[in-house]
Amino acid sequence: GAVVSQHPSWVICKSGTSVKIECRSLDFQATTMFWYRQFPKQSLMLMATSNEGSKATYEQGVEKDKFLINHASLTLSTLTVTSAHPEDSSFYICSARDLGQGGLGNTIYFGEGSWLTVV
Amino acid sequence: AQSVTQPDIHITVSEGASLELRCNYSYGATPYLFWYVQSPGQGLQLLLKYFSGDTLVQGIKGFEAEFKRSQSSFNLRKPSVHWSDAAEYFCAVGVNQFYFGTGTSLTVIP
Repeated sequence: GAVVSQHPSWVICKSGTSVKIECRSLDFQATTMFWYRQFPKQSLMLMATSNEGSKATYEQGVEKDKFLINHASLTLSTLTVTSAHPEDSSFYICSARDLGQGGLGNTIYFGEGSWLTVV
Repeated sequence: AQSVTQPDIHITVSEGASLELRCNYSYGATPYLFWYVQSPGQGLQLLLKYFSGDTLVQGIKGFEAEFKRSQSSFNLRKPSVHWSDAAEYFCAVGVNQFYFGTGTSLTVIP
């Protein structure tokens, strides 16, 4: 199946600094990628939808200036957590939509997730 | 409004027993339907998906799911559970945006 790679898997940063997480679709082009946040033992919370070449669409309650999303190519989207605080510590997961041959598919594949700890 | 319900927060089954995880959804039209599995500390792996056609779909690891339009359900089944199946299972539905259930945690006892 299609592969989505997320990097880094683990990151620790100091409070007040910024950290970038990358999401890559390795064997398909993804015009749309999604960023989620997951708290322990809870479901995924959609943060934003990232569209290649345009601004991301943020869900209600998500600070766009704090969680910067860039989707500069068909295989790469990045999430930058700016001025991180301990409450930003979480598991962040990206996914990418594979439209398949001729755009007839519509399958979402997930990255491995990134654990962010802000100290 | 769109929503996905997984009524069972936690299920415990014996190894070798059969399994059924429930998923009900509310959506304006027939969406695409997915089941994912998540092991602790990891991302989500796609088990199977339904787009159209045969309402019984086969997935990886011996899982299958049946789409029942009249019940707006997409339940996941496995005839014989293995200890390695212990994980969190998420049902997801959507077309352009995707909605997830709250997950069902599966424990497998020897």
